Formats: sequence, structure tokens, C-alpha cells
Amino acid sequence: EPEVTQTPSHQVTQMGQEVILRCVPISNHLYFYWYRQILGQKVEFLVSFYNNEISEKSEIFDDQFSVERPDGSNFTLKIRSTKLEDSAMYFCASSDHLPGQAGGGANVLTFGAGSRLTVL
Amino acid sequence: ELKVEQNPLFLSMQEGKNYTIYCNYSTTSDRLYWYRQDPGKSLESLFVLLSNGAVKQEGRLMASLDTKARLSTLHITAAVHDLSATYFCAVDLSGTYKYIFGTGTRLKVLA
Repeated sequence: EPEVTQTPSHQVTQMGQEVILRCVPISNHLYFYWYRQILGQKVEFLVSFYNNEISEKSEIFDDQFSVERPDGSNFTLKIRSTKLEDSAMYFCASSDHLPGQAGGGANVLTFGAGSRLTVL
Repeated sequence: ELKVEQNPLFLSMQEGKNYTIYCNYSTTSDRLYWYRQDPGKSLESLFVLLSNGAVKQEGRLMASLDTKARLSTLHITAAVHDLSATYFCAVDLSGTYKYIFGTGTRLKVLA
């Protein structure tokens, strides 16, 4: 069964360092997402991405965050200068369905296993 | 802004009992999703509800959607330990690319 792959599974970094989290979405999916979950709490929307540009972003996704799809397969989340409060599990997800399409069908997200980021 | 709230946040129940988890959302949407997350794991899709009055069932779980009340329920029948997990509802907002998850309900089924 197709799956979303995330690397690394766990990264420990010092405050102020840059971190890049990588995701390989399912190959025929066109819509990509990053979510953050702090210690088993709610799953927070960060950003959605389609056609090589950001479609939506939350208030969490400030200037220290960026996303890109550098090579047609990887989808990356970069945190420029990490803070202690960035410690969380970061989930990548993808779907093959246009989100928010009125009268449209199901937009089921397939999630990766997550990347745990620990900022010291 | 779309808000999706669940209650209860925590639920501890005995095996064999029934219970309902509620999901309320703040703006109009005719699509609602339920996901399950096991401890330390990722999220897996459980149900997709695409219209008012939709009902889906899988084993001991049944989900329903009332778009007029902006309410979805996840009903657990005769709970078993294997159902212990965190359950999230999610809504994707028409006309946007946002896909927002609820606050989650952590379910623990006691033997």
C-alpha cells in the first residue's frame, strides 16, 4: 500500500539552529500538508501546498517556517531558527483530492509516521 | 475562523459499555472525517462523512453527521480494549485549503 515517508524519525537540535524535515508524499498525490502535534495534544494545521506554492497557512506558520518541493518527490519543512517551543511531532500528509471543494468527494489525508523534533 | 471542538477530551470506560464522542465545528461544511491515533503513532482514517445525515459503521464504531447542527458523533458500542486510542474529527473548509482537526478525545477502555 502506498505510504508517506518522513525523515528523520527523530531529530535533536540546539535552539537557534536550522532544521529541515523531509517528506516523500504518495507519488500520484498533488496536495500536501504539514501538521504539528505537541506531546500528544491537538493536531495543529501548519500549511497546505499545491502546484508548487503555499495554498493556506496558519498563524503558527510564521517567517521562521518555509516549505518547498525541491525535486518533484520530496516535500520539505524548514525551520530557520528553532525555539524551545518548536519541540513537537511534525506530520506530513498528502491527498489526491482537491481540498474544500464544495460538493466534491472525500479528501482523506494519508499521514506519514512523523518526525519528532526536540529543541534543547 | 474554523474551530473544531470535541468532548469529552478524556474518556475512561469499562469494556462492554457504550459511549458517544461529540464533535462540534463552527462554520458551514458538508464534509467531516474521523481519524484514530494510537499512542506514539500516526493518524489513520476511520470514517468519511460527506453529507447531512450520513452514517457510517465499522465494527463497534458508528459515525454520523448533522450539518445543520454542525455536529458529528462517534458512537462506541460494547467497547473493547483494542479501541483505546485518541480519536480526532476533522473538517475541511469549503473554498479553502484548510483541513482542521478537532481537539481530540483520548479513550481508554478498561478491562
